[in-house]
Amino acid sequence: SQQGEEDPQALSIQEGENATMNCSYKTSINNLQWYRQNSGRGLVHLILIRSNEREKHSGRLRVTLDTSKKSSSLLITASRAADTASYFCATRRGFQKLVFGTGTRLLVSP
Amino acid sequence: DAGVTQSPTHLIKTRGQQVTLRCSPKSGHDTVSWYQQALGQGPQFIFQYYEEEERQRGNFPDRFSGHQFPNYSSELNVNALLLGDSALYLCASGRGQPYGYTFGSGTRLTVV
Repeated sequence: SQQGEEDPQALSIQEGENATMNCSYKTSINNLQWYRQNSGRGLVHLILIRSNEREKHSGRLRVTLDTSKKSSSLLITASRAADTASYFCATRRGFQKLVFGTGTRLLVSP
Repeated sequence: DAGVTQSPTHLIKTRGQQVTLRCSPKSGHDTVSWYQQALGQGPQFIFQYYEEEERQRGNFPDRFSGHQFPNYSSELNVNALLLGDSALYLCASGRGQPYGYTFGSGTRLTVV
């Protein structure tokens, strides 16, 4: 079963706009990761935020984590058409198992 | 430096048949995990191999089995295929840590 859900399920914006997607999870975590997937192919690791961190930046990506609400958000600033993809959050369960959310499909139009 | 290589990229099988999918991990990686991703869903963990043993398993029936070879490459076998086994199968490799996994491009399995 999925660990949690991303919200919204789908997001459509224009180039240059910011895109925000949210992730909720169900159990206590050590860290939370965000992945990107283009056209149903392989996943690319974007960023990891540890449970003792509240915010992390990487280029145009900004991730926040609220462990009290069991939620995280991913902000992509100044979106480009090349950012069109599905975005998933993932948490670790057990030894090395990743549990993914349901994903947000982002469409960035030129 | 090659990343994770999966073969084949696409596969069509008939219900009841058996299938073997293959994965070569990224150079320097020693763990391999397999995930099943149904259309429109997030990936679901099948199992993970380390030191040629299955270390952790998700909620998948025994029809799903695997193997890891001494060179760290891995196979996923699915017996008695069902229509519901149609999915993208992803392999991920890592070295000792869950984050920073490198995923392959996947094998698209269609069961007809």
